[in-house]
Amino acid sequence: DAKTTQPPSMDCAEGRAANLPCNHSTISGNEYVYWYRQIHSQGPQYIIHGLKNNETNEMASLIITEDRKSSTLILPHATLRDTAVYYCIVRSPFGAGSYQLTFGKGTKLSVIP
Amino acid sequence: GAVVSQHPSWVICKSGTSVKIECRSLDFQATTMFWYRQFPKQSLMLMATSNEGSKATYEQGVEKDKFLINHASLTLSTLTVTSAHPEDSSFYICSARPSGGLHNEQFFGPGTRLTVL
Repeated sequence: DAKTTQPPSMDCAEGRAANLPCNHSTISGNEYVYWYRQIHSQGPQYIIHGLKNNETNEMASLIITEDRKSSTLILPHATLRDTAVYYCIVRSPFGAGSYQLTFGKGTKLSVIP
Repeated sequence: GAVVSQHPSWVICKSGTSVKIECRSLDFQATTMFWYRQFPKQSLMLMATSNEGSKATYEQGVEKDKFLINHASLTLSTLTVTSAHPEDSSFYICSARPSGGLHNEQFFGPGTRLTVL
């Protein structure tokens, strides 16, 4: 799996957009970008994933650069409940051995009132 | 949908005893389940991959005789920590991959906090 680099921590004011960056310069053509988050003392929660097009769902938007070497997760209106560690994971979703998720250190997002 | 439960949510045990943690997929069948361990202020570390009806695959450095995994049905996997010691105190999290699911998505349980005295 391609290695990812995320800032260790970020702050965001409540109600503002939270933009969480992720660098994955060694991503290969068949690898997707996945985002999970983990609220304190809970299991991780899937947020969104994408290959090369921008994606949006009810939780967030994912912007992937044209060269696919980096991406940004956007929480459009952060709330206090969005305070969590956010993990960016890059992997191929297909084929043998593709089931495993390798978690890095992630970004600890603190939403401030 | 896609709910995964764990039981118990927390457990305290004496050193030398064994502890069993259950992971259930409530509304889907899971051919593959995963067990992770997370120490304080650290990320999740994959311990083992559990496939229904076959032996689990353990990650390097994880003792298979200490962490017994059983995946006897498509909705249940169990992790037994045998002869637990204080250094086994951790947050244990399971995830389940739906059989035939797209993109190999995984759904995580809420975790089990194990404290060994």
